[in-house]
Amino acid sequence: NAGVMQNPRHLVRRRGQEARLRCSPMKGHSHVYWYRQLPEEGLKFMVYLQKENIIDESGMPKERFSAEFPKEGPSILRIQQVVRGDSAAYFCASSLLAATQETQYFGPGTRLLVL
Amino acid sequence: KNEVEQSPQNLTAQEGEFITINCSYSVGISALHWLQQHPGGGIVSLFMLSSGKKKHGRLIATINIQEKHSSLHITASHPRDSAVYICAVRGSQGNLIFGKGTKLSVKP
Repeated sequence: NAGVMQNPRHLVRRRGQEARLRCSPMKGHSHVYWYRQLPEEGLKFMVYLQKENIIDESGMPKERFSAEFPKEGPSILRIQQVVRGDSAAYFCASSLLAATQETQYFGPGTRLLVL
Repeated sequence: KNEVEQSPQNLTAQEGEFITINCSYSVGISALHWLQQHPGGGIVSLFMLSSGKKKHGRLIATINIQEKHSSLHITASHPRDSAVYICAVRGSQGNLIFGKGTKLSVKP
C-alpha cells in the first residue's frame, strides 16, 4: 500500500508564474490536509479537504492560493503569480476518516523555490 | 504567545542518554501528535494520544490533559534518533496546530 505521494518533489518558479502541487493520498483515504513550512519556521495548517469539498480553509492566504480535491485524481494546491515569500516546503497529509481521532500520514513534501 | 510551545528548541546528547522533550499547549484539543522530521525533510507520525501514555520501542509519549502538557522520552538514544521532533495538537476541526520543533542531535 503506497504511502502519500506528492509531486513534484522540487519545483522552481520565477516570480509571477503559477505553481501546481499535487498530492495523492493513501489508498482509501478521502481526507487531505495541506501544510506549509516556511524556512526556519514550524509547520502551519493551510486547508482541509474531503473529496470534492473544502472543509476548512482558514489557513489559506486569501489571494493567489486555491486547493481542490476532485472526485478522481490527486488533490491540487495551486499558487498563482508566485512571489519569493511563497518559497517553502508544502506537505500534504491524508487520513482514512475525519481527523478527530485519526492519524494523519504525511507525504514527502514539495519544496518550492521562487526565483 | 504560541498555542503550542516546545522545549528545548535545541538538544545535544551523547549516545545512550535518556532524552525528554516537552510540549505545552493553551487550546482545547481532541488529540496530540508527536512527529519526527528527518534531515531530508520527510515527516513521520510517531504517536497520537489523547490520554495517558504510549510506548513504541525506545520512544515513550505521555500526556496530562489537566496540565495541558505532553512529554516525549527517548531511552538509550542513538545517533539515528537525530531529527527534529514536532508536537502538534488537533483543534476542533481536525487541523493540526504545530510547535516549532525540537532539534535533537545525538553524538556517538
